[in-house]
Amino acid sequence: ETAVFQTPNYHVTQVGNEVSFNCKQTLGHDTMYWYKQDSKKLLKIMFSYNNKQLIVNETVPRRFSPQSSDKAHLNLRIKSVEPEDSAVYLCASSHGQDTLYFGAGTRLSVL
Amino acid sequence: GDSVTQTEGPVTLSEGTSLTVNCSYETKQYPTLFWYVQYPGEGPQLLFKVPKANEKGSNRGFEATYNKEATSFHLQKASVQESDSAVYYCALSNNNNAPRFGAGTKLSVKP
Repeated sequence: ETAVFQTPNYHVTQVGNEVSFNCKQTLGHDTMYWYKQDSKKLLKIMFSYNNKQLIVNETVPRRFSPQSSDKAHLNLRIKSVEPEDSAVYLCASSHGQDTLYFGAGTRLSVL
Repeated sequence: GDSVTQTEGPVTLSEGTSLTVNCSYETKQYPTLFWYVQYPGEGPQLLFKVPKANEKGSNRGFEATYNKEATSFHLQKASVQESDSAVYYCALSNNNNAPRFGAGTKLSVKP
């Protein structure tokens, strides 16, 4: 049963463009995350939000910014994409530090 | 900071053989340990978790023991099936820190 919804599934764009990815969770969780998964399946935390407060901000390029309107939504904006941004971006939610529930991911290809 | 190291993949096995995926971790706190599984086209999902040292977790024939002294959490299954083909992640979660994942181990099971 899907409870973390990500859109779009795929996105192809060119270097320098701006992109936005959406994420919504219907689990009533208080914490949401963005992870980047590279071609080798490595999962790296990018951001996490707890009740609209940014509580973790790893060393990611400034062109990445999370955006949250409420605790059920956490979007990701990339201001000017670079080739190395090609990856799968996974959104997740949790209650505190408990189990993560992931969406199916957004695959970004930068040409 | 926290870190997780696990068996490098890919791992290829024949149906009916046994599996061990090694996982070791580093942290100064008292984490909850997780195994997640990711099937193609999906996000990772929880296989099982163990919040306390010296306890065992299990699900679908997979099991792992939280060994605090050895800082290990090795995943084992006595007899793998083709349907177990997936990527397996070891992860830890501490208070106030986003969950950290190992590099993932891709398992392919041949019939």
